[in-house]
Amino acid sequence: GDSVTQMEGPVTLSEEAFLTINCTYTATGYPSLFWYVQYPGEGLQLLLKATKADDKGSNKGFEATYRKETTSFHLEKGSVQVSDSAVYFCALRINNAGNMLTFGGGTRLMVKP
Amino acid sequence: KAGVTQTPRYLIKTRGQQVTLSCSPISGHRSVSWYQQTPGQGLQFLFEYFSETQRNKGNFPGRFSGRQFSNSRSEMNVSTLELGDSALYLCASSETATDTEAFFGQGTRLTVV
Repeated sequence: GDSVTQMEGPVTLSEEAFLTINCTYTATGYPSLFWYVQYPGEGLQLLLKATKADDKGSNKGFEATYRKETTSFHLEKGSVQVSDSAVYFCALRINNAGNMLTFGGGTRLMVKP
Repeated sequence: KAGVTQTPRYLIKTRGQQVTLSCSPISGHRSVSWYQQTPGQGLQFLFEYFSETQRNKGNFPGRFSGRQFSNSRSEMNVSTLELGDSALYLCASSETATDTEAFFGQGTRLTVV
């Protein structure tokens, strides 16, 4: 079946540090890839997405590139802020198979001032 | 445009009881998906509905059921509650049957005692 693996947290960084959260996947069909963010007490918000190989998704300084050859979609940000503290989920959706998402386990990011 | 509305936000139930959770999707959205989020299992897909038809179902026991009404509102029901059913239940709405962005509600926090 489909699965997503992402690095376990928590990841603790100082403000303005560089962030990388690794994500790899296995898919039964051609997937679209997503990063979602969850703030305390909230639902999930879409952070960025990529729908085909070599696409780069970006939003709010975060970036991730769809790498088919390594089945990866690593999340990066050049300079994190305290307000980026949250749980980040990598997810995939198989194209033309509905809207069902398969999620990774989530990575908690804590940014200290 | 109003977002995805889930009611109630919090519920406390006793083992053996049943519970019904409600989700009102974004106006114009016809696809609704449900997810269970727990610290141990992470985010797991429950089921997906489009135009009152269940399109996909996750690997959950038959105690978990759902339905969608003609106005696209959805309910999920859990019968004979177990302690392990304690979780955050998230609903996501999407505009069409496939390949469209999922917008999440804030969730219903169910505690089984």
